[in-house]
Amino acid sequence: QSALTQPASVSGSPGQSITISCTGTTSGVGGYFYVSWYQQHPGRAPKLMIFDVSNRPSGVSNRFSGSKSGNTASLTISGLQAEDEADYYCSSYATSANLVVFGGGTKLTVL
Amino acid sequence: QVQLQESGPGLVKPSETLSLTCTVSGGSIGSGSSYWSWIRQPAGKGLQWIGRIYTTGATNYDPSLKSRATLSVVTSRNQFSLRLTSVTASDTAVYYCATGPLQNPEAFDSWGQGTLVTVSS
Repeated sequence: QSALTQPASVSGSPGQSITISCTGTTSGVGGYFYVSWYQQHPGRAPKLMIFDVSNRPSGVSNRFSGSKSGNTASLTISGLQAEDEADYYCSSYATSANLVVFGGGTKLTVL
Repeated sequence: QVQLQESGPGLVKPSETLSLTCTVSGGSIGSGSSYWSWIRQPAGKGLQWIGRIYTTGATNYDPSLKSRATLSVVTSRNQFSLRLTSVTASDTAVYYCATGPLQNPEAFDSWGQGTLVTVSS
């Protein structure tokens, strides 16, 4: 299976854009298209923000976008708002092992 | 989207078995359109996928928990369950049940609210 590496923290000012990376080591992020991103506010269940690398579920703001290059997937949040301050997790699927893996999470601080 | 609700004891003694049930509403487990997963999160830490079950009963588990975890499904009750044996303090966490589209196995678009399970004597 793969391990997914995310930066522990990122920060930005309101209105700015930030990018969170998610680097995979094997058949998850690197080899396949299955990458999702979740937003989690304290005390709340995670919320799906991006699936299949770059697709937004209905109702998710278009300020959130996803991409992938090689072994690294990225979540970009544009026009930062105070409400975006949360923890963000990436996930991927290791098809060779039939298992889901999560990144360690990134704490986003809106300055 | 379906709604999910976890239930089960909030306190389990060390070495005993943790048992949780997830009740699904607004959709049918038997429809075959989704996998049904358990995910946990220790306080202040990240998410860990425990495993998933399909309507047929087919399962997949995280290798680190495979020897202790068992998922089962009761389609007539629209429920699926988790049993985790020989628990220790490190199994203390918020446990979530979750599901998502079959074609995106890493995407969970419906989550339960989570239930805190504490392992302590």
